[in-house]
Amino acid sequence: EAGVAQSPRYKIIEKRQSVAFWCNPISGHATLYWYQQILGQGPKLLIQFQNNGVVDDSQLPKDRFSAERLKGVDSTLKIQPAKLEDSAVYLCASSLEIGYNSPLHFGNGTRLTVT
Amino acid sequence: AQRVTQPEKLLSVFKGAPVELKCNYSYSGSPELFWYVQYSRQRLQLLLRHISRESIKGFTADLNKGETSFHLKKPFAQEEDSAMYYCALSATGNQFYFGTGTSLTVIP
Repeated sequence: EAGVAQSPRYKIIEKRQSVAFWCNPISGHATLYWYQQILGQGPKLLIQFQNNGVVDDSQLPKDRFSAERLKGVDSTLKIQPAKLEDSAVYLCASSLEIGYNSPLHFGNGTRLTVT
Repeated sequence: AQRVTQPEKLLSVFKGAPVELKCNYSYSGSPELFWYVQYSRQRLQLLLRHISRESIKGFTADLNKGETSFHLKKPFAQEEDSAMYYCALSATGNQFYFGTGTSLTVIP
């Protein structure tokens, strides 16, 4: 099966600029996640979708971050305006279902550098 | 609140030696624990999950609810085991919480 696809792989922007990341999950996977991984830390959940509805966005900084999954398939994550502390790898993951023990499948991530 | 702790950021062992990567968790419900691995230049991928009770690439992990631990073990480390290892807990709604990771280096 094709894996989770993310683009771009790398992005460098200046602070206060905006940026968008794209993710296409594994076909048939209902649940999609965006994680932020800062250097030296584990992945931190930003938002979780079930189909096109939001399950959990409690850790998403909503004043600057937004995400959508309009048709319940691919998703975009946007940051506007970016801050220096947003420099991180942004990981997209999907799982077949929302139940317990449905493992996550990760994309390669987008490495964002904010200067 | 859910929390996953991996006390060792770095771990080095010699090839052929036993290896144990520690993971402790706190969770009020019934936990589902996983180990994920990231090899150099590859994506984060599932290594094993406690409910499967299987051995993957020679690794095993036992859930100890009394000690709230889920340590990853392998009796004889190989060079190809060098990677970043993350312990993760799945809570209600399939929400995953990750530890900070342990970088394992197997010395030839």
